[in-house]
Amino acid sequence: DGGITQSPKYLFRKEGQNVTLSCEQNLNHDAMYWYRQDPGQGLRLIYYSQIVNDFQKGDIAEGYSVSREKKESFPLTVTSAQKNPTAFYLCASSTLAAPKTQYFGPGTRLLVL
Amino acid sequence: GQQLNQSPQSMFIQEGEDVSMNCTSSSIFNTWLWYKQEPGEGPVLLIALYKAGELTSNGRLTAQFGITRKDSFLNISASIPSDVGIYFCAGRGDSSYKLIFGSGTRLLVRP
Repeated sequence: DGGITQSPKYLFRKEGQNVTLSCEQNLNHDAMYWYRQDPGQGLRLIYYSQIVNDFQKGDIAEGYSVSREKKESFPLTVTSAQKNPTAFYLCASSTLAAPKTQYFGPGTRLLVL
Repeated sequence: GQQLNQSPQSMFIQEGEDVSMNCTSSSIFNTWLWYKQEPGEGPVLLIALYKAGELTSNGRLTAQFGITRKDSFLNISASIPSDVGIYFCAGRGDSSYKLIFGSGTRLLVRP
C-alpha cells in the first residue's frame, strides 16, 4: 500500500533532551513537509523540502531541525531549544508538479515529562 | 501574512441534517483543499478544488471554489454519526508550495 508512515505514535521527552520523529513515504513524492498542531488550532508549517539534501524553514522553525538524505525520508528533530514542544506533529508529502496536493501521515504526539 | 477565516468553529447537529461550513481568505488562492481529521489521526483529504467556480462532489460532500478565489464552502448532506470530526480548509496561492490552514470546524452529530 502506498502511503506515509510516522513513528512513534507517542513520544515522551525529558527536559533538555533532543528527540527525533520519523516520517517515511512510498508515494514517490519529491516534496515533504512537517506541521505542528496545537489544540483548537490549524496546522502550522515547521519545515519543508522539495528535493533531497535541501530544505526550507516554515513559519515556526525555531527549535527544530530536519534532514533529507533520502527521497523517502524526512525526519524531524525537536531540540532542547524548543521550549514548548508538546503538540501533535504531522508529516505530509506531495508532488512538485501540479496539483501538488498534500497527503498526511497519522501523526506523532509529543509530550514533555 | 495570509490568513484564513473558517466558520463556524463548531456545530452540534441532529443526524440527518445538512451542514455547511466556509472559509474566506485575505488573498487570492489557486487551490482549495478540504480535509477531515478524527481524534489522534492525520487529516484525510476529502475534496480538492483547482479552478475558480469549480463545484465538486464526493458522495454526500460538495465543495465549491468561490469565483473571487478568496473563499470556499463545504456542504455535507444528510449527516450521519461517522461524519463527526474536525474539518479543515486549506488554500495555496500562486507559485507556492505552502498551504495555509483554517482553524477547523468541529462537527458533532447527535444520533
